[in-house]
Amino acid sequence: GAGVSQSPSNKVTEKGKDVELRCDPISGHTALYWYRQSLGQGLEFLIYFQGNSAPDKSGLPSDRFSAERTGGSVSTLTIQRTQQEDSAVYLCASSKGGGGQPQHFGDGTRLSIL
Amino acid sequence: GIQVEQSPPDLILQEGANSTLRCNFSDSVNNLQWFHQNPWGQLINLFYIPSGTKQNGRLSATTVATERYSLLYISSSQTTDSGVYFCAAYSGGSNYKLTFGKGTLLTVNP
Repeated sequence: GAGVSQSPSNKVTEKGKDVELRCDPISGHTALYWYRQSLGQGLEFLIYFQGNSAPDKSGLPSDRFSAERTGGSVSTLTIQRTQQEDSAVYLCASSKGGGGQPQHFGDGTRLSIL
Repeated sequence: GIQVEQSPPDLILQEGANSTLRCNFSDSVNNLQWFHQNPWGQLINLFYIPSGTKQNGRLSATTVATERYSLLYISSSQTTDSGVYFCAAYSGGSNYKLTFGKGTLLTVNP
């Protein structure tokens, strides 16, 4: 597609449920990033993929968070046993490569935990 | 890691006014981007500008890498310019992450 596509755009779920967020990067972009924007924390980095590999997972806030990327394209971010503090906008970005290439962001998934 | 500071935190303008937003960063950068987050939450790329000067319509940006700052100029502001402007930088490291400033909230009144 022309831009980074994320789904769903909004997700409301009950505390304790698992959620899966999807990101479809710009075609041909090998690098993919997940960020989170919450009221108290601003925009924070979660994880980076080069191809299907994530060399550094230290940005994930807890072991309830995991991410994968398959076929060098679509990525999913999974949050298990959701907590209210997980409520945030989850943003995905992609770039042609790493090393400082410009990142292009999707519209985000607004996650609300009741 | 790199620190990114933006000023001012808030700015209120009358339509037609000009403004300058500043971004200071603590280390040399490989990537510096300016974004506009509109009231619907969309993060719009404005400039990729690790150094030099660029212009796009009423907006322009300058990064002086040696002095570790970047400026975003908005001329003849319009109400649609309202929103939060973020500066984000990458200075090295294997995860290529952008570190964001806290943003400047711009309100343009008619």
